[in-house]
Amino acid sequence: DSGVTQTPKHLITATGQRVTLRCSPRSGDLSVYWYQQSLDQGLQFLIHYYNGEERAKGNILERFSAQQFPDLHSELNLSSLELGDSALYFCASSVGTGLGEKLFFGSGTQLSVL
Amino acid sequence: AQTVTQSQPEMSVQEAETVTLSCTYDTSENNYYLFWYKQPPSRQMILVIRQEAYKQQNATENRFSVNFQKAAKSFSLKISDSQLGDTAMYFCAFMKPRTQGNLIFGKGTKLSVKP
Repeated sequence: DSGVTQTPKHLITATGQRVTLRCSPRSGDLSVYWYQQSLDQGLQFLIHYYNGEERAKGNILERFSAQQFPDLHSELNLSSLELGDSALYFCASSVGTGLGEKLFFGSGTQLSVL
Repeated sequence: AQTVTQSQPEMSVQEAETVTLSCTYDTSENNYYLFWYKQPPSRQMILVIRQEAYKQQNATENRFSVNFQKAAKSFSLKISDSQLGDTAMYFCAFMKPRTQGNLIFGKGTKLSVKP
């Protein structure tokens, strides 16, 4: 167990809908990262928050947004969902700002858009 | 742009034997970090080992070790005394020093350990 908690584990929804994925980092970790794993794109970095502030963006669509709250948990919001958004979404955390750090991953949220 | 290539989509090994997974990467950076992650059927991404490019010494974690060849841009993972629980997808990943947590992953190698 990495200590990173993601909920829900599975999510099934329809096209056009909006969902929220939740992540609680390891105790003491200040950074949260979101990654997407799909069959065609593989594992891709989406976004990074450190102590409540956005620090880096990767291949995140405009329909997606995230935030990190004062208690350091994070939420990834996906809206106007399309079939192609079906994927495994991972949250990871690290102690500091992420520079060369080990990232610890949660077990993911499997999103299925029907 | 940085790329990570894992040329072996699938591999198999007998229990208790040794196996080496290959990874090459392309970068113009001098200082960077390399990782191997394991994803068993449970889907969880588990950190196996980390290597800092400016360190000559190869990283080791119990039965897992790496062969880091900086000039060749090669970062292979050796698993000794393979166990059934080592069956998983293995991903090689690269992190630039000035990026924060942005891991660039290879496409993975599916390793099967046979009894």
